Amino acid sequence: KQEVTQIPAALSVPEGENLVLNCSFTDSAIYNLQWFRQDPGKGLTSLLLIQSSQREQTSGRLNASLDKSSGRSTLYIAASQPGDSATYLCAVRVTGFQKLVFGTGTRLLVSP
Amino acid sequence: GAVVSQHPSWVICKSGTSVKIECRSLDFQATTMFWYRQFPKQSLMLMATSNEGSKATYEQGVEKDKFLINHASLTLSTLTVTSAHPEDSSFYICSASSGQTDQPQHFGDGTRLSIL
Repeated sequence: KQEVTQIPAALSVPEGENLVLNCSFTDSAIYNLQWFRQDPGKGLTSLLLIQSSQREQTSGRLNASLDKSSGRSTLYIAASQPGDSATYLCAVRVTGFQKLVFGTGTRLLVSP
Repeated sequence: GAVVSQHPSWVICKSGTSVKIECRSLDFQATTMFWYRQFPKQSLMLMATSNEGSKATYEQGVEKDKFLINHASLTLSTLTVTSAHPEDSSFYICSASSGQTDQPQHFGDGTRLSIL
């Protein structure tokens, strides 16, 4: 059974800092891994999608890496801003299945 | 980009009422739609997967007679919570997929269900 864990559970940083969110999964047989952002009381916004054959994806200040063999992914946020405050979720799509298995989430607070 | 519309965004009703939630893909054909449930400060838990024109596949522990799912077209899936009770109060989120493995799932904005 695939299990996805995110560390830390919560993170508070001052504006301008670079930060790294971690995601680990127990079964390396995945199609892809996706990072999402969720604002309070809202749905999910897809940030980055990394296919199993890829090592990283970049979008603006965000960079996500994937090490499938070790079951790890990181989301790097450069020059954090208060608007980045949200919960960040990673999710893996297991090979042979359509569904996503979500991590436990990291609640990020960026203070001005 | 792809947009998934979920309606209603918030519903409050009395215990025993049945509630229907709609999930629509607005600019793509969703061969598969997913329904998730999220409790406060917790992650998303998949309830069921529905493919257009066929019966939904429910996750272990989810009552299919309680949570009725219909996916009659490539752009619409509905979740009906039958005879809702306070313990059914939660945040329900749908997502839609075109079926291509290299494409992400797209999520609706969720429905906050409160049963009094």
